[in-house]
Amino acid sequence: GAGVSQSPSNKVTEKGKDVELRCDPISGHTALYWYRQSLGQGLEFLIYFQGNSAPDKSGLPSDRFSAERTGGSVSTLTIQRTQQEDSAVYLCASSLARGRGGYTFGSGTRLTVV
Amino acid sequence: AQRVTQPEKLLSVFKGAPVELKCNYSYSGSPELFWYVQYSRQRLQLLLRHISRESIKGFTADLNKGETSFHLKKPFAQEEDSAMYYCALSEHNQGGKLIFGQGTELSVKP
Repeated sequence: GAGVSQSPSNKVTEKGKDVELRCDPISGHTALYWYRQSLGQGLEFLIYFQGNSAPDKSGLPSDRFSAERTGGSVSTLTIQRTQQEDSAVYLCASSLARGRGGYTFGSGTRLTVV
Repeated sequence: AQRVTQPEKLLSVFKGAPVELKCNYSYSGSPELFWYVQYSRQRLQLLLRHISRESIKGFTADLNKGETSFHLKKPFAQEEDSAMYYCALSEHNQGGKLIFGQGTELSVKP
């Protein structure tokens, strides 16, 4: 596609429910990244996929968070048993291999846990 | 540990005034530095990168390895420059993962 597409754009969920956030990267971009944007916290790295390599999960805040990337394209970020502190904007970005060209970001999913 | 610091949460200037958004980093290797910008209700986008030595929308940034800084400058601010600005460092040996600063909100008043 022309850009990085994320869905849904907004999600309100009850505490304790599971949510899935989707990211469709730019065609041909082999690297895909998830970040979390919170007020006063800037952008927090969550997870990174590069081609067929094992993902870098070093930024996932707890084992309630997981992500997968199927067929080297679409990625899903799953948050289990959501908590109020999970409320944030979740951003996906993609880039050519090794990020030389800089990232292209999606418009994000605003998650609100009530 | 790798870190990017933007000391100012908010920077307010008048139209036509010079502006400098500060960014300092700590990194043991040879860094690649970027500035990203997010205008109101728009997605985060790349503004410039140090390896390109380019000027975008009148903004420039010079990498100073001695001071470990990558400050963003513009000689004459415009109202349309009002946005959130993020400095970022690429962990090149980690596949291009970016470490972001906490961001500086630039407000340009008429």
